[in-house]
Amino acid sequence: DAGVIQSPRHEVTEMGQEVTLRCKPISGHDYLFWYRQTMMRGLELLIYFNNNVPIDDSGMPEDRFSAKMPNASFSTLKIQPSEPRDSAVYFCASSFSPTGEQFFGPGTRLTVL
Amino acid sequence: AQKVTQAQTEISVVEKEDVTLDCVYETRDTTYYLFWYKQPPSGELVFLIRRNSFDEQNEISGRYSWNFQKSTSSFNFTITASQVVDSAVYFCALSEGGRRGGSEKLVFGKGTKLTVNP
Repeated sequence: DAGVIQSPRHEVTEMGQEVTLRCKPISGHDYLFWYRQTMMRGLELLIYFNNNVPIDDSGMPEDRFSAKMPNASFSTLKIQPSEPRDSAVYFCASSFSPTGEQFFGPGTRLTVL
Repeated sequence: AQKVTQAQTEISVVEKEDVTLDCVYETRDTTYYLFWYKQPPSGELVFLIRRNSFDEQNEISGRYSWNFQKSTSSFNFTITASQVVDSAVYFCALSEGGRRGGSEKLVFGKGTKLTVNP
């Protein structure tokens, strides 16, 4: 298997623009997680899905952030409008269970100018 | 709510030294899971180990070993005979079993940056 795939790997955008991050989980994994990593806050869970259904979105910072999982092989994290403080590395991960080993994608480094 | 503390922000050692990375956790759940992940300079997160709360047996994998002690709520990680390639940020993480209202979410510590000098 190719592992968790994320795109783009790098994104530079201007404040106010819409940003869409994409993730393809490992086939057969029922759980998908979105994390954000910053120097100040470390690794934070934003939201996770089970069988394409959002289970816990309490980590989503505010209404500017939204995530969807239209099918078992694809998820998006959207920021609209983006702000400089959204600059971070966003990781997607997938697993067989919420308490099992999570396999992480390579991350998307987002820079909002 | 669960919490993971990695008190050592940075550690620097010379190659071949042994080094221990500390991890202290807090949880009210009796069923929980502890993890270590490695993040090398390239940025990806690599799974190292998962331990459940009912298994306090220490684990050894090559030069890596883990010491799980429920009495002190610690899950420490030791690298024996460190190598330059061990240089990375190491994260300890905790997930609760969800039975006593605990969260199954994986909560990470702030990480310990290990530098192994030649």
